[in-house]
Amino acid sequence: DAKTTQPPSMDCAEGRAANLPCNHSTISGNEYVYWYRQIHSQGPQYIIHGLKNNETNEMASLIITEDRKSSTLILPHATLRDTAVYYCIVRVDSNYQLIWGAGTKLIIKP
Amino acid sequence: DTGVSQDPRHKITKRGQNVTFRCDPISEHNRLYWYRQTLGQGPEFLTYFQNEAQLEKSRLLSDRFSAERPKGSFSTLEIQRTEQGDSAMYLCASSSGQGAREQYFGPGTRLTVT
Repeated sequence: DAKTTQPPSMDCAEGRAANLPCNHSTISGNEYVYWYRQIHSQGPQYIIHGLKNNETNEMASLIITEDRKSSTLILPHATLRDTAVYYCIVRVDSNYQLIWGAGTKLIIKP
Repeated sequence: DTGVSQDPRHKITKRGQNVTFRCDPISEHNRLYWYRQTLGQGPEFLTYFQNEAQLEKSRLLSDRFSAERPKGSFSTLEIQRTEQGDSAMYLCASSSGQGAREQYFGPGTRLTVT
């Protein structure tokens, strides 16, 4: 599975959109991009995933560049409860395990 | 749907003792995963079950670690002769086999070896 690079930390004001970048320049054509988050002392929570097209659900939007070498997770109206570590993972469907980096610690400020 | 549950939530044990953790996945999920997470790091994959079959094991899973899923429902992870380096959060996740790709995680079991 391809490796991902994320900034170690980011701040965002409450109510604003939080944009979390992820680089995956070695991604191959059959690898999906996944985002999870982990609120302090809890298990990780699935957010969204995509292959080529942009995706949106009730939690977030995922924007994948045309060359698929990077992506951005967008939380449209961040709240204090969105403070967490956000992990970007790329994975081939046939690999069941998720390989995690250190993630981005997102702090939402009032 | 009560989600993935894990028991106990916290375990403190002395070095050399054996410990066993339990994971109850979401009821209709046939895939179950164990991960380990140390402070400041992302989770590390340990092992994977499809129904009762253990299909994949990480090299991290030394011979002191054993996992079972006897009836394809709940799973147990046992660590024998615990070492201080085993101190970590042990996470369980489950997923559906119907083409679903997301894994749902439990709250984890925090192990402290003194």
